[in-house]
Amino acid sequence: DAGITQSPRYKITETGRQVTLMCHQTWSHSYMFWYRQDLGHGLRLIYYSAAADITDKGEVPDGYVVSRSKTENFPLTLESATRSQTSVYFCASSASGTGELFFGEGSRLTVL
Amino acid sequence: GESVGLHLPTLSVQEGDNSIINCAYSNSASDYFIWYKQESGKGPQFIIDIRSNMDKRQGQRVTVLLNKTVKHLSLQIAATQPGDSAVYFCAENLYSSASKIIFGSGTRLSIRP
Repeated sequence: DAGITQSPRYKITETGRQVTLMCHQTWSHSYMFWYRQDLGHGLRLIYYSAAADITDKGEVPDGYVVSRSKTENFPLTLESATRSQTSVYFCASSASGTGELFFGEGSRLTVL
Repeated sequence: GESVGLHLPTLSVQEGDNSIINCAYSNSASDYFIWYKQESGKGPQFIIDIRSNMDKRQGQRVTVLLNKTVKHLSLQIAATQPGDSAVYFCAENLYSSASKIIFGSGTRLSIRP
C-alpha cells in the first residue's frame, strides 16, 4: 500500500530554472492539494484539484503551474524558480474533500 | 477574509496533564474545521474534524470544541504523553464552495517529564 508519494524528496536548483515536483497517490482520491511550508510557519495552499482536469488556485499560486490529466497524479511546476520559492512542498489527497487529508512526506526544495 | 490563527505559538505541558490548544478563525462561512498533528520531518496527520453544525466531537483522547459565536476552536488532549510532542495545526474548509482547506500557523506542544 504505497499511499501518496512525492518525488524528488530533496532538490537543489538555481534561480530561473524550471522544476517539477511529482505527486502520486494510489487510493484514487478525487481531491488533491499542494501546500508549501516555510521554516517555522504553517502550510499555505498553492493549488488544489477536485478531479482530473479540474484545478483551482489557492492562497499563493503565483509562480506555480499544475496539471491533473490523471486522477492519481498531480505535478507541481515552478516555471522559473526564485529564491523565495525555497520551501518544503507537501502534496495531499482526500476522498471526500471535507477535511481528512493524507499528506506525502514532503519535497524539500532549495533555490540558489 | 479567509484566515485561521492561533492564540499561542508554543505550549509546554506536564506529562499526564491535559493539553488545550486554541485557534481563532475569521470566516463564518467555513463548513469544516480540522486539527492536524505534524511531527518533525513528516507530513501533517489528521487528528479530528468537526462540522460547523456541531459544538463538540470526541475521539480517542482528543476532543474538539467549536464556538461559532466567538469563532473559536480548541483541541483538548487528555493525559498528554511524550508521543504527543509535535506541532498542531487547525485548518478550516469552505467545503460548500470549493474544498479549499486553509491552515493556521501552528502551535508547538512540548511535554515536560
